[in-house]
Amino acid sequence: DAKTTQPPSMDCAEGRAANLPCNHSTISGNEYVYWYRQIHSQGPQYIIHGLKNNETNEMASLIITEDRKSSTLILPHATLRDTAVYYCIVRPLSYSNYQLIWGAGTKLIIKP
Amino acid sequence: GAGVSQSPSNKVTEKGKDVELRCDPISGHTALYWYRQSLGQGLEFLIYFQGNSAPDKSGLPSDRFSAERTGGSVSTLTIQRTQQEDSAVYLCASSLGAGRSTEAFFGQGTRLTVV
Repeated sequence: DAKTTQPPSMDCAEGRAANLPCNHSTISGNEYVYWYRQIHSQGPQYIIHGLKNNETNEMASLIITEDRKSSTLILPHATLRDTAVYYCIVRPLSYSNYQLIWGAGTKLIIKP
Repeated sequence: GAGVSQSPSNKVTEKGKDVELRCDPISGHTALYWYRQSLGQGLEFLIYFQGNSAPDKSGLPSDRFSAERTGGSVSTLTIQRTQQEDSAVYLCASSLGAGRSTEAFFGQGTRLTVV
């Protein structure tokens, strides 16, 4: 079973910040939080990952709460091309890529 | 090519037939993974290759499924005697290694429909 809980769907207006929540209340100290997205008819695409500090890259920011039981992926200025299913995954340090456990994700729809 | 390439992109087959799905990973990537994704679901791990090591087949759902990776590059996933429940998108991914710091790059997938 997936170790994360995400809302099944969300809407966001184009140009606004999209904030995607993820609960991982059973996360342990050696587990990273990963985010991927999957645009329709394409394979998943890596976005960002973090352990306990907030992270930012050219695609998004990842905010992890101090107790690490939840996190938020932020797309600062959402565009129509950001419409996709977003997956939040926790992964132990010792795990390899193939051992990620994928849930159903959040379907994010960006509206003009 | 620059990315992971899968072929065919779509495959419709009759129940009971065998199918072969192909994956060309990114050049130089030693790790290769196969996943299956049913409609509206997350990814289900099938099999993993790392260099010359024996593959991890722990995700294969039945002995009708098998995969090979020749010369450490191209991989073929074979499904024998296909069943309707095999209908799904089959995704291949590759990475430089298998460790936590190496991200996986995915192909576009093969949509398999068994009728």
